[in-house]
Amino acid sequence: DGGITQSPKYLFRKEGQNVTLSCEQNLNHDAMYWYRQDPGQGLRLIYYSQIVNDFQKGDIAEGYSVSREKKESFPLTVTSAQKNPTAFYLCASIGGAATNTGELFFGEGSRLTVL
Amino acid sequence: AQKITQTQPGMFVQEKEAVTLDCTYDTSDPSYGLFWYKQPSSGEMIFLIYQGSYDQQNATEGRYSLNFQKARKSANLVISASQLGDSAMYFCAMRGFNTNAGKSTFGDGTTLTVKP
Repeated sequence: DGGITQSPKYLFRKEGQNVTLSCEQNLNHDAMYWYRQDPGQGLRLIYYSQIVNDFQKGDIAEGYSVSREKKESFPLTVTSAQKNPTAFYLCASIGGAATNTGELFFGEGSRLTVL
Repeated sequence: AQKITQTQPGMFVQEKEAVTLDCTYDTSDPSYGLFWYKQPSSGEMIFLIYQGSYDQQNATEGRYSLNFQKARKSANLVISASQLGDSAMYFCAMRGFNTNAGKSTFGDGTTLTVKP
């Protein structure tokens, strides 16, 4: 079955450490997204990529970095520059003819806690 | 730029009754799409319904319907015959087709609790 796989599901990090969250999709989608969700709040866009080797900053990109070397993969690195990284991170994708009108497909999320 | 506003942080509804979740939006794009998603306590995001700005009729999907009023820039979700399993957080989202192409913006969500 096609879908989006995020790993790890839970991650603990010490202050000052970088951490990378994995996102892999086998849906053959062109566009991929990273969102951050804080408790009881909505989703805020961190980065998005509409094609391989290209990506754009979202609304809260500071302290994060991404790469898009393969169509299937869009890893997110939470750097030590991110002052408050504890949150739930959701990866999503969309593609093909549905890029404008289709819904986002989401992974199950990664919950990052900074100790 | 585009913005979604959901003014109801929490809503309660009696089982089997209908409920309306409010959503207003703002965008600089002349064409856009509006979406509703459901997020149960497990954290997964479930797509519910889509409305295009150019659609003449309101979208419906089973017990879900979208009350789209373009002039008022509102896209309210109506859930008919509420069930206990409808208890979740609901998000309104939009994607512009022009300046904001490829960028989906979400509201802060409404937590719906269905009472037996």
